[in-house]
Amino acid sequence: SQQGEEDPQALSIQEGENATMNCSYKTSINNLQWYRQNSGRGLVHLILIRSNEREKHSGRLRVTLDTSKKSSSLLITASRAADTASYFCATDARDNYGQNFVFGPGTRLSVLP
Amino acid sequence: EAQVTQNPRYLITVTGKKLTVTCSQNMNHEYMSWYRQDPGLGLRQIYYSMNVEVTDKGDVPEGYKVSRKEKRNFPLILESPSPNQTSLYFCASSLLPGQGNVYRYEQYFGPGTRLTVT
Repeated sequence: SQQGEEDPQALSIQEGENATMNCSYKTSINNLQWYRQNSGRGLVHLILIRSNEREKHSGRLRVTLDTSKKSSSLLITASRAADTASYFCATDARDNYGQNFVFGPGTRLSVLP
Repeated sequence: EAQVTQNPRYLITVTGKKLTVTCSQNMNHEYMSWYRQDPGLGLRQIYYSMNVEVTDKGDVPEGYKVSRKEKRNFPLILESPSPNQTSLYFCASSLLPGQGNVYRYEQYFGPGTRLTVT
């Protein structure tokens, strides 16, 4: 079952602009995580937000979580060409006792120099 | 260096020929998992393991087997591969929270294994 769905599927911006990606999910969750993947490589964890948190920051990253709307957003400020990658949200569903993770299809971000 | 390793990185095989993709982590993580990644579908979980001798199905377990005889290793076995198992496979591991704590930790991913079944 596909839990997370990222939006948009693809995003192209100029260097220095902000990039916002959204993630929606269907069931109650314990945690939501964002990962980054450079083309064909393994995923790298960016940030984790717990269900009782509403906002979290890490460097140029800002993540929000709205459990009433079952949605999260990832904001990358002052984007760089090196931010070009695919970004995925992942959730562990509360009714699954948090044992397994469900990833969305991802947002492909292109930052143009 | 903390890492998850997978072998082989690339594999081309024929339908029906049994194969094993190995996964090993050196971080003493309890939780390990296998995913496959296909265009437009993102990552889908195949199997996961909470600890030695404890495994469970993910979303797409058909055609795969796993075992967890040691904490550090979690091999993925394809007994009779078929072309629809052509995909990019990732192994991942993480710590588990203490008992009664539902909050999770981040997963560490291996570099991936690109499998082609002809």
